[in-house]
Amino acid sequence: QKEVEQDPGPLSVPEGAIVSLNCTYSNSAFQYFMWYRQYSRKGPELLMYTYSSGNKEDGRFTAQVDKSSKYISLFIRDSQPSDSATYLCAMRGSSNTGKLIFGQGTTLQVKP
Amino acid sequence: SQTIHQWPATLVQPVGSPLSLECTVEGTSNPNLYWYRQAAGRGLQLLFYSVGIGQISSEVPQNLSASRPQDRQFILSSKKLLLSDSGFYLCAWSFGAGRNFGPGTRLLVL
Repeated sequence: QKEVEQDPGPLSVPEGAIVSLNCTYSNSAFQYFMWYRQYSRKGPELLMYTYSSGNKEDGRFTAQVDKSSKYISLFIRDSQPSDSATYLCAMRGSSNTGKLIFGQGTTLQVKP
Repeated sequence: SQTIHQWPATLVQPVGSPLSLECTVEGTSNPNLYWYRQAAGRGLQLLFYSVGIGQISSEVPQNLSASRPQDRQFILSSKKLLLSDSGFYLCAWSFGAGRNFGPGTRLLVL
């Protein structure tokens, strides 16, 4: 079993839709949770960063962590064609020397 | 602000040829530096990380090597490339618990 599971998609939605991207994980020691956005042929860029459980909102993006279910989500409201990209979840334990574990990435296409 | 540079952006190399990819970081000192490879449909694979000059840790046995000759310079090398070395190579530095990635080098081994 992989430490982090992420549905690779592709996920195709119409412009304006609410998008839900998800990851599940098996290691209960994970404390830091991140979402990266990667446009085609570019390096990933950090989109959202949360510590432990709860929600964090930034504009149209909301990151949600449910440690009891070992499940994290990224919601995109009013999706735009410019949101079309691959979204990778990533997580790590509390140790500064701990590895950052990435999901496989979900490819999202928002159609105008 | 911190900036990370990688070059070249794209590289096509024959099997058996050597490889040298360079990464430099600006705007920070003594960063933790990382090399990742991203192959199609396989996510990000950590290859090497370095906590300081001359200090390299290898995550995956392979025909690649890394060196850190200067504080803000990280080099990925190979003496003889294999077809399986094709992929998107990303350099990154630590930002809190996360990583900031460079623009990447797309390597195609033929």
